[in-house]
Order: sequence, then C-alpha cells, then structure tokens
Amino acid sequence: AQSVSQHNHHVILSEAASLELGCNYSYGGTVNLFWYVQYPGQHLQLLLKYFSGDPLVKGIKGFEAEFIKSKFSFNLRKPSVQWSDTAEYFCAVNARGGGNKLTFGTGTQLKVEL
Amino acid sequence: DAGVIQSPRHEVTEMGQEVTLRCKPISGHDYLFWYRQTMMRGLELLIYFNNNVPIDDSGMPEDRFSAKMPNASFSTLKIQPSEPRDSAVYFCADRDRDTEAFFGQGTRLTVV
Repeated sequence: AQSVSQHNHHVILSEAASLELGCNYSYGGTVNLFWYVQYPGQHLQLLLKYFSGDPLVKGIKGFEAEFIKSKFSFNLRKPSVQWSDTAEYFCAVNARGGGNKLTFGTGTQLKVEL
Repeated sequence: DAGVIQSPRHEVTEMGQEVTLRCKPISGHDYLFWYRQTMMRGLELLIYFNNNVPIDDSGMPEDRFSAKMPNASFSTLKIQPSEPRDSAVYFCADRDRDTEAFFGQGTRLTVV
C-alpha cells in the first residue's frame, strides 16, 4: 500500500526566507506526485505535479519540487516566501495502476511572518 | 466548467439527525473521492468511486456512513444518525485517469 510522510508539521518563517518542505512516499512502483495548498478556510488547490520527464517541476507562485526516485522524495521549495504563502501544504501520491487512489500526507502548516 | 460543486457549504444539525452531503463532479471525470478533514486526523479518504462503482470504502468510519453515486454527475454522502464527533469539513474531489484531483469547496458540518 502507498503512504506519504510529511515530517514538518508546523513551519514558521520570516518573509523572504527560503522554504523547503519534506515529502517521502512508500511505494515500489511508478508514481505520480502532487503538492496541494490549502489557504485558510478554502479547499485544496494544485500547486504542482510530477508525472514523468524532468524531475524538477515548477508550479504556480514560484514553487518548485524535485523528484528524487532513489530517495522516494518529492520536496517542495520556494526561494523567497511571502506572507501570502501562509497556508497548509499537502503532498500526495498516486500509484500508477494502483486504482488511481490518491493518498495524502498529514500536511504542513506554514506561517510566514512579516 | 464550474468545477466540483458541493452542497450545502455549511450544515448545522442536531445529534441523531440524518445528514446528506451532495457533490456534482466535473463532467467526464471517472473517479470521485470523499474526504473528511479535521484538526486531529487531517485529511482522510472515506471512499472513492470509479465509473460510479465504489472501489474502496475502507475509510468509512462506521456503518452510520454511506455513500452513493447513482450516476456520473451526482454523489451523496449520508450520515445517519449523526454524532458530534462527525463534525468536520467534508470534501468531494474528482479526477480523470492520470490527472490531478480537483476539489470542491467543501461542506463544513457541525453536529451539536
């Protein structure tokens, strides 16, 4: 069965600081990987996704993530965060051929201070 | 397309009452998911459908919960009887094969 681990549950940063949120998954086969963001009181929205090709994926709002297959990781990064990035971030994995079930991590709450 | 549409957005009900949450997925998307989100347990997958057929309902917490998808454009999640611990935000999401999931705005359920 597939699973996702997000090790940072709460992160507090100052504006302009760099961000890296960890995500590791467990599944031996081919996967699709996603990062979603949930702003306070809103639904989940897609930040970026990896299906194949270049393991460095660029998403919206300056976010990027790198798929490292040997480490089963898909960490999210942003060089310089803004106050408006305050939100909860979810990593998700879908095992191809695994019934298209999308499994989410427990989320990381990011707070950006002015 | 208007995206995944859920109703109601907010529901307040008394313990013991039946609650029905509704979801209209994006046309043409074959998979539909029901998630529950709470502070304590995060985002939990309750059940998902493929082509209107339930595939995995192992996340449904108890027999009080049931979900149906009578056709490709409509799904319901029913709780009967409801309990205070069912208070949460319930999200419906859908996807097509090998695409990302699209989430509805959610239904915030409060059982008092």
